Amino acid sequence: GQQLNQSPQSMFIQEGEDVSMNCTSSSIFNTWLWYKQDPGEGPVLLIALYKAGELTSNGRLTAQFGITRKDSFLNISASIPSDVGIYFCAGRRDAGNKLTFGGGTRVLVKP
Amino acid sequence: NAGVMQNPRHLVRRRGQEARLRCSPMKGHSHVYWYRQLPEEGLKFMVYLQKENIIDESGMPKERFSAEFPKEGPSILRIQQVVRGDSAAYFCASSPNSRDTQYFGPGTRLTVL
Repeated sequence: GQQLNQSPQSMFIQEGEDVSMNCTSSSIFNTWLWYKQDPGEGPVLLIALYKAGELTSNGRLTAQFGITRKDSFLNISASIPSDVGIYFCAGRRDAGNKLTFGGGTRVLVKP
Repeated sequence: NAGVMQNPRHLVRRRGQEARLRCSPMKGHSHVYWYRQLPEEGLKFMVYLQKENIIDESGMPKERFSAEFPKEGPSILRIQQVVRGDSAAYFCASSPNSRDTQYFGPGTRLTVL
């Protein structure tokens, strides 16, 4: 089946640092979504991208829809402690609206 | 506006029992999706329903699993004769139509002893 490869799998952040993560696929998606999941909760939508090449911001978050429609990246600028959590990319084709999720990037605080 | 509601939040079953998970979509949403998340993994699509109809069940295991979304009441994901491998978090999402953003509930964490 379709797979989304997310990297890195985990990362440590220090307050104030910028954070980047990306998602790649072997097949095309027409919509890319980025979600954040806190422990014990469901995913919360951060950013939705609908057009190849689109660059969208939501506060300190910026995401881009790759021009090939097979990848997307998410940047978090000036990280703060509450940015800790698991970030998932998800792709959607138009038909049926079902989402295909990546394996997640775990953002942790540097000890 | 209440979000997507799922209950129970935690469910413990012994092998061979039935598990019944409920999902009430957001107000005005008639499209419901169920996903399963194993520990340390992403969510995997199971089934997509619109009121009284199953639209896409391509992610549902062939046996023991069923889903419904009746005209009145919540959507139900039913797992019969549970096995240890069914232990996972089950998430429901809803949307107002087939193209709009899906909003997720808090999940039901199923543990099979």
